[in-house]
Amino acid sequence: KQEVTQIPAALSVPEGENLVLNCSFTDSAIYNLQWFRQDPGKGLTSLLLIQSSQREQTSGRLNASLDKSSGRSTLYIAASQPGDSATYLCAVTGGYQKVTFGTGTKLQVIP
Amino acid sequence: DGGITQSPKYLFRKEGQNVTLSCEQNLNHDAMYWYRQDPGQGLRLIYYSHIVNDFQKGDIAEGYSVSREKKESFPLTVTSAQKNPTAFYLCASSMGQGRSTLYGYTFGSGTRLTVV
Repeated sequence: KQEVTQIPAALSVPEGENLVLNCSFTDSAIYNLQWFRQDPGKGLTSLLLIQSSQREQTSGRLNASLDKSSGRSTLYIAASQPGDSATYLCAVTGGYQKVTFGTGTKLQVIP
Repeated sequence: DGGITQSPKYLFRKEGQNVTLSCEQNLNHDAMYWYRQDPGQGLRLIYYSHIVNDFQKGDIAEGYSVSREKKESFPLTVTSAQKNPTAFYLCASSMGQGRSTLYGYTFGSGTRLTVV
């Protein structure tokens, strides 16, 4: 059974700092990994999707990497802003297109 | 703009009552999903549908029912058999037919259900 872990559960950083969020998964037989952002009381917004054959994806200040063999992904946020404050979730798609979500990292960027 | 619309945003249910959550998408996606989100837990899959008139149980289907009569719509009914229905419910869609592995998932804005 696939398990997805995100550590830490919460993170607080000063504005302007570069930061890394971690996602690990137990079964490396995945099709893709997707990073989402969730604001309080809202749905999930897709940030980046990395296919299993890719090593990284970039969108603006966000960069996501994938090391499938070690079961790890990182989301790098450059020059963090208060508007980046949210919960970040990762999700992996495995066999039978089953998607498993992590429990998320709650990020607070302090002005 | 294409997207997924969930309604209502907030819903209150009395004990023993059935309630239906709406999910509509105009993305022309084949596959649709319902997830439940509880504090401190990851999203858990309730039901999914890869094609019209067909749907499958997810990990926590007990006490829930769905229908998929139209490609655009995938309503979820929370029945009185669901003993702990208070949660945040999220609907999602993907292109399906294996293409979700290429294009990922799109989510609605959610419905918060509270038992009163």
